[in-house]
Amino acid sequence: EAGVTQFPSHSVIEKGQTVTLRCDPISGHDNLYWYRRVMGKEIKFLLHFVKESKQDESGMPNNRFLAERTGGTYSTLKVQPAELEDSGVYFCASSPGGEGEKNIQYFGAGTRLSVL
Amino acid sequence: QQQVKQSPQSLIVQKGGIPIINCAYENTAFDYFPWYQQFPGKGPALLIAIRPDVSEKKEGRFTISFNKSAKQFSLHIMDSQPGDSATYFCAASPNSGGSNYKLTFGKGTLLTVNP
Repeated sequence: EAGVTQFPSHSVIEKGQTVTLRCDPISGHDNLYWYRRVMGKEIKFLLHFVKESKQDESGMPNNRFLAERTGGTYSTLKVQPAELEDSGVYFCASSPGGEGEKNIQYFGAGTRLSVL
Repeated sequence: QQQVKQSPQSLIVQKGGIPIINCAYENTAFDYFPWYQQFPGKGPALLIAIRPDVSEKKEGRFTISFNKSAKQFSLHIMDSQPGDSATYFCAASPNSGGSNYKLTFGKGTLLTVNP
């Protein structure tokens, strides 16, 4: 079974440019989460989808960040325009949904975003 | 405000030693406490998890100890091996009564096990 896939693995962009990160969750997982780790800090929650609906986007830093989940399958996270403080590693995780073991979140390898 | 505090930031032990990583939380709504292990270039992978109805859980060489009254939990690695060298994250989330089980993470501990 394929795991959570993220790409690109690394993106280097200039301040002011736009970047789109993609996450393909494990097939059949209704829940999809985005997290971010800024250097030296903890991994922080950004938002949560259940199928194609945003369940919680309380962790989104500001309106330069836009997340979508087309048809409840893959998800994209767009940063427009990118700022220096957006640099970090963006993780995607998915889970089947439900309580107990069904809530285990499986993480992708992350996208390292460097804004210069 | 950091809701899950993790220490130490880094830890070096010799092979066979027992590294201990500690975490403390504040939010009493948390009732699921996983530990994730991350190797360079990989994403965090669930290592072991505990719920507050037990004080200890053991899986292989990894043990979680949980103190509900103190709101603290810790990871012990028995007979540590060089292959255990990785970054370890503690985390917490609510695990019932809703559908959003977003994880709140500690800052991570970089463990190095020397041969």
